[in-house]
Amino acid sequence: NAGVTQTPKFQVLKTGQSMTLQCAQDMNHNSMYWYRQDPGMGLRLIYYSASEGTTDKGEVPNGYNVSRLNKREFSLRLESAAPSQTSVYFCASSSPTSGSYEQYFGPGTRLTVT
Amino acid sequence: DQQVKQNSPSLSVQEGRISILNCDYTNSMFDYFLWYKKYPAEGPTFLISISSIKDKNEDGRFTVFLNKSAKHLSLHIVPSQPGDSAVYFCAASGDQGGKLIFGQGTELSVKP
Repeated sequence: NAGVTQTPKFQVLKTGQSMTLQCAQDMNHNSMYWYRQDPGMGLRLIYYSASEGTTDKGEVPNGYNVSRLNKREFSLRLESAAPSQTSVYFCASSSPTSGSYEQYFGPGTRLTVT
Repeated sequence: DQQVKQNSPSLSVQEGRISILNCDYTNSMFDYFLWYKKYPAEGPTFLISISSIKDKNEDGRFTVFLNKSAKHLSLHIVPSQPGDSAVYFCAASGDQGGKLIFGQGTELSVKP
């Protein structure tokens, strides 16, 4: 089992460019999440998907869109990148409906916007 | 408004001694708490959790204590080992959908 995989690992964008971060999980989890981690800020939830076909905003959704393509895949899109979106992005998955709140994280994508 | 706070950005302890990491929360609706460990350039990994119906949970060298009246939890690592050096995040959930609110993290350094 690969767990949670993310692509790419690193990306440099110019202001105004767009890109999509990909995430996939092979644990048959219902819920998937996108976080960003900034120094001194912990992990902040951008968007989440409680189940296939549903998505909801988290704490910091502005500037992002998401797609829950199927049960395995959850992508994050930056339509017009800004320097404030320079961060490390983590995808996670869990199965809270089974009583387990533990989230399993991918290795992260380090994004720099110049 | 930071609902989950880790007020110590860093902690340094000697190998073999106890490490105590602290976390405070403000939302009384939180009913499940977790600790994650994160090494550089890796994703966070789950360490240990506790439900609000308990006040202590142990797993090997790791013990989490929950004081609901003080809205405080702590992670004890005994004995500390150099491989425990990492950033530790506490997280809380009060949401049936499984959303977690994370603290800012504490960087633990265990000196040989």
